Amino acid sequence: QSALTQPASVSASPGQSITISCAGSSSDVGGSDYVSWYQQHPGKAPKLMIYDVSNRPSGVSYRFSASKSGNTASLTISGLLAEDEADYYCSSSTSGTTLFVFGTGTKVTVL
Amino acid sequence: QVQLVESGGGVVQPGRSLRLSCGASGLTFSTNVMHWVRQAPGKGLEWVAALWYDGSRHYYADSVKGRFSISRDKSKNTLYLEINYLRAEDMAMYYCVRDGGMLRGLFDYWGQGTLVTVSS
Repeated sequence: QSALTQPASVSASPGQSITISCAGSSSDVGGSDYVSWYQQHPGKAPKLMIYDVSNRPSGVSYRFSASKSGNTASLTISGLLAEDEADYYCSSSTSGTTLFVFGTGTKVTVL
Repeated sequence: QVQLVESGGGVVQPGRSLRLSCGASGLTFSTNVMHWVRQAPGKGLEWVAALWYDGSRHYYADSVKGRFSISRDKSKNTLYLEINYLRAEDMAMYYCVRDGGMLRGLFDYWGQGTLVTVSS
């Protein structure tokens, strides 16, 4: 099972919006209702930001939203803040024997 | 307040074995699906293994199948990951993770990780 494909880096100025893509296949993203997104600051454990494609856990800012179209999921961060600078990973369940696969990760830089 | 605390990492020679542990407070393993996720230095996340809440089913990534074993001690509320025949590619931070969605991959609680270094 190959890792899902994400852009290596995305950057924008404070207040702007960015979208991170997560490309998979019909065996994972395209065929799954269980796509999630994680934020990871340096030296810290990942934090769940989105689950089940587009649901935000309690306590996660409304500025984070997500969706899926075909084999590609997307995470949008609106009104970018300095604290959003981190690595972001998508994850999906799969139809294979490796139950879950993560994305390659995207480094978000706030200019 | 859920807290997961991993231990057992360290410097290990290739080919040797290691057992990682994960203790929990505010969470009972017997009612939760638990996972191990690893992250090699400077690399991305990789799902490694999962244990069904009643301990009846185990799931492994193809990359570790046959060498890794996930288990738990109900009386100690402790989750384990046994790694056999350690390889250079096993060097990583290993995270103990709760699945809030009963094997939906809803990784909502993470430990701080324990670092496994493979070196001769």
